Amino acid sequence: GAGVSQSPRYKVAKRGQDVALRCDPISGHVSLFWYQQALGQGPEFLTYFQNEAQLDKSGLPSDRFFAERPEGSVSTLKIQRTQQEDSAVYLCASSPRTGGLGYTFGSGTRLTVV
Amino acid sequence: AQSVTQLDSQVPVFEEAPVELRCNYSSSVSVYLFWYVQYPNQGLQLLLKYLSGSTLVKGINGFEAEFNKSQTSFHLRKPSVHISDTAEYFCAVSGRDTGNQFYFGTGTSLTVIP
Repeated sequence: GAGVSQSPRYKVAKRGQDVALRCDPISGHVSLFWYQQALGQGPEFLTYFQNEAQLDKSGLPSDRFFAERPEGSVSTLKIQRTQQEDSAVYLCASSPRTGGLGYTFGSGTRLTVV
Repeated sequence: AQSVTQLDSQVPVFEEAPVELRCNYSSSVSVYLFWYVQYPNQGLQLLLKYLSGSTLVKGINGFEAEFNKSQTSFHLRKPSVHISDTAEYFCAVSGRDTGNQFYFGTGTSLTVIP
């Protein structure tokens, strides 16, 4: 596709529910990143994939957060047993090269945990 | 690690007036620097970036920024703003040798007043 596509755009989850957020990067992009943007804050790094390999997951806030990119294209960010502090916009970005200099961001998924 | 400080959380400015959005960074290594713009309910769009070379960088929509190594700053400027420039602006830094992860500031909300 022409850009990075994220779905759903909006997600409301009850506390304790599991959620899955999808990212379709630009075709052929090697690198894929997930960021979390809390209200009124800048994006914060969660995790980085190079093709199917998850090379950096240092930003994942807890073991309830899990990301995968099994075939090196589509990625899913899963949050188990959601809590109110998980409410944020989750941004995906992809880059044609290793590393992030050519980032293109998606529009994000706004997660609200009630 | 790197960090970014955006000193102004909100900047109101009249249409056709000049504007400067301030960004200071801290890093123990050489860095790449970026400015992104975020319109409501949209992802981040790259305005400009400094990788190397000339310290004055020109970007899209008439914006420019100057890298000042001694002051560890990367302020964003535009000589004459338009209503359409109303948005959130984020400064970001990435280490040259660890370029996978971006560190974002908390953002500056620019409001252009007619």
